[in-house]
Amino acid sequence: KAGVTQTPRYLIKTRGQQVTLSCSPISGHRSVSWYQQTPGQGLQFLFEYFSETQRNKGNFPGRFSGRQFSNSRSEMNVSTLELGDSALYLCASRPYSGLTGELFFGEGSRLTVL
Amino acid sequence: DQQVKQNSPSLSVQEGRISILNCDYTNSMFDYFLWYKKYPAEGPTFLISISSIKDKNEDGRFTVFLNKSAKHLSLHIVPSQPGDSAVYFCAASLNTDKLIFGTGTRLQVFP
Repeated sequence: KAGVTQTPRYLIKTRGQQVTLSCSPISGHRSVSWYQQTPGQGLQFLFEYFSETQRNKGNFPGRFSGRQFSNSRSEMNVSTLELGDSALYLCASRPYSGLTGELFFGEGSRLTVL
Repeated sequence: DQQVKQNSPSLSVQEGRISILNCDYTNSMFDYFLWYKKYPAEGPTFLISISSIKDKNEDGRFTVFLNKSAKHLSLHIVPSQPGDSAVYFCAASLNTDKLIFGTGTRLQVFP
């Protein structure tokens, strides 16, 4: 069974640009969550999607947005990039939203903002 | 506000000895706790979990202890192996809601 796949793995952007990251969950998983990892901050929850609907949202500005498609694939977008947006963005999937248990993470997309 | 805290950013342990990683939380309503391990350039992988109705869960070399009165969680690794060197994150959830992670502890196991 293929794991969670994130693309691109690495990217460099400049301030003011926007970026779109993609995540393909494990086959059969319908819930996709996004996390931001920065040094000293751990994993900060961005949002969770289930059945194309945003189920939960973390404390991030509106520049951070996401969506989920009918095949459960998800994208997240960051507009008007700032230097502080440099981070590892992790996507995780699980079979259903609201299911106690583990998340399955992808390898992440490392974003550098110059 | 950091609801899940890992106050030790790093820990160094000799191979064969016990590694104890600690985690504190502030929300007494959390009902499920998990530990994840993360190697460089890889995503976090699930290690072990515990429900709030239990105080101990064991899986091979890994044991998680939960002290609800102290709002404290710990992960014991016995015996520690060099392959255990990684960053360990604890996480908590409430009513099957989103997972809230700590800031991580970097464990180094040396020969």
